[in-house]
Amino acid sequence: QVQVVESGGGVVQPGRSLRLSCVASGFTFSHYGFHWVRQAPGKGLEWVSLISYDGTNKSYVDSVKGRFSISRDSSKNTVYLQMNSLRTEDTATYYCTRDGLDYWGQGTLVTVSS
Amino acid sequence: SYELTQPSSVSVSPGQTARITCSGDVLAKGYARWFQQKPGQAPVLVIYKDIKRPSGIPERFSGSSSGTTVILTISGAQVEDEADYYCYSATDNNLRVFGGGTKLTVL
Repeated sequence: QVQVVESGGGVVQPGRSLRLSCVASGFTFSHYGFHWVRQAPGKGLEWVSLISYDGTNKSYVDSVKGRFSISRDSSKNTVYLQMNSLRTEDTATYYCTRDGLDYWGQGTLVTVSS
Repeated sequence: SYELTQPSSVSVSPGQTARITCSGDVLAKGYARWFQQKPGQAPVLVIYKDIKRPSGIPERFSGSSSGTTVILTISGAQVEDEADYYCYSATDNNLRVFGGGTKLTVL
């Protein structure tokens, strides 16, 4: 069955880096683009980034542009979100979802705090 | 602008029809999706391409669209439909945007 599993969250100090991973299974990875969506505690959903099926097209919400980078490795069926220069306002649960947003992982919590 | 506007809350009694609106300029050019999210759970897609319902989603969920507004309708709302609902669409510069979310209360 289709599965998307995020990992890599944790507690990190402001200004530091973290890399999230999203492992997909149950479908042909190379046929789908992927999105990262985050949700701050008690707040709504916020779209963060997307990568196309072949990795050539990437987009970011303005608040993370220049700090976050999305990538994919088809040999590992994995999508990454490299997060640099983290800020307290980046604290959120980060979800990975394939294009179409029909399958979501359970999310990984990132806490940015000193 | 790239904003989608939803009411913060909607309340209905069980069996009544709930309607949640979502407005924004981006909706004039692109399709909308709707998501249901219950506490502690990941979002679930309930409507895509404005009006289509994924398999497994009850028929009481439907979508409609007119110009820059889309509407999620839950006909005969059940207690288990109580959740947060979000609309979503794409912008013309390859970004994506969610609405602020609507808390549906069924009691």
